[in-house]
Amino acid sequence: QKEVEQNSGPLSVPEGAIASLNCTYSDRVSQSFFWYRQYSGKSPELIMSIYSNGDKEDGRFTAQLNKASQYVSLLIRDSQPSDSATYLCAVAASEAGNNRKLIWGLGTSLAVNP
Amino acid sequence: DTAVSQTPKYLVTQMGNDKSIKCEQNLGHDTMYWYKQDSKKFLKIMFSYNNKELIINETVPNRFSPKSPDKAHLNLHINSLELGDSAVYFCASSPQRRLAGSGGEQYFGPGTRLTVT
Repeated sequence: QKEVEQNSGPLSVPEGAIASLNCTYSDRVSQSFFWYRQYSGKSPELIMSIYSNGDKEDGRFTAQLNKASQYVSLLIRDSQPSDSATYLCAVAASEAGNNRKLIWGLGTSLAVNP
Repeated sequence: DTAVSQTPKYLVTQMGNDKSIKCEQNLGHDTMYWYKQDSKKFLKIMFSYNNKELIINETVPNRFSPKSPDKAHLNLHINSLELGDSAVYFCASSPQRRLAGSGGEQYFGPGTRLTVT
């Protein structure tokens, strides 16, 4: 059973701080990793994708991937109250190389306090 | 110009009824999905179609039947609704069926909140 695990939180950070969200996955051969943000009562919104080891930066967001340790993280710099949401980690399931579906974590709730 | 749209947004119905949810995407994507998000916020894949071909059919009661008349539309019909079907149902699309590498990103519709009483 392929799994994606996240700390459910809530993770509370002050405004302007760096928020660090972590995700571990069990499928050793997974190739694609995604971070989605979901505001309460809204749909998941893609914020980052990462496919190779290392860091990928997009504005205030940095995704980090370490395939050897099977973890992927998301850093949010200069956190704003508008970043308060649930962050979902999703990993493409390899399943005989088909990579047809995402395995989702339960999400980490982030609260940024003014 | 909404990318992925769903109707209705809210659906309240009684046990035993049959209902449908419709989804349309104007992104030109080949692959569409139905997800169920329960009260614990877990996103569970139900079905996926690639250009009208069913490619994912998870362990879902056969009361649920998807239909894709063309690659821009994916509908979900639910027969004999039960209390446990109450959830938010999301439609999503991605450029391609294979999620490895670029092109595997999924884009979600606004969701349909189904309440069965």
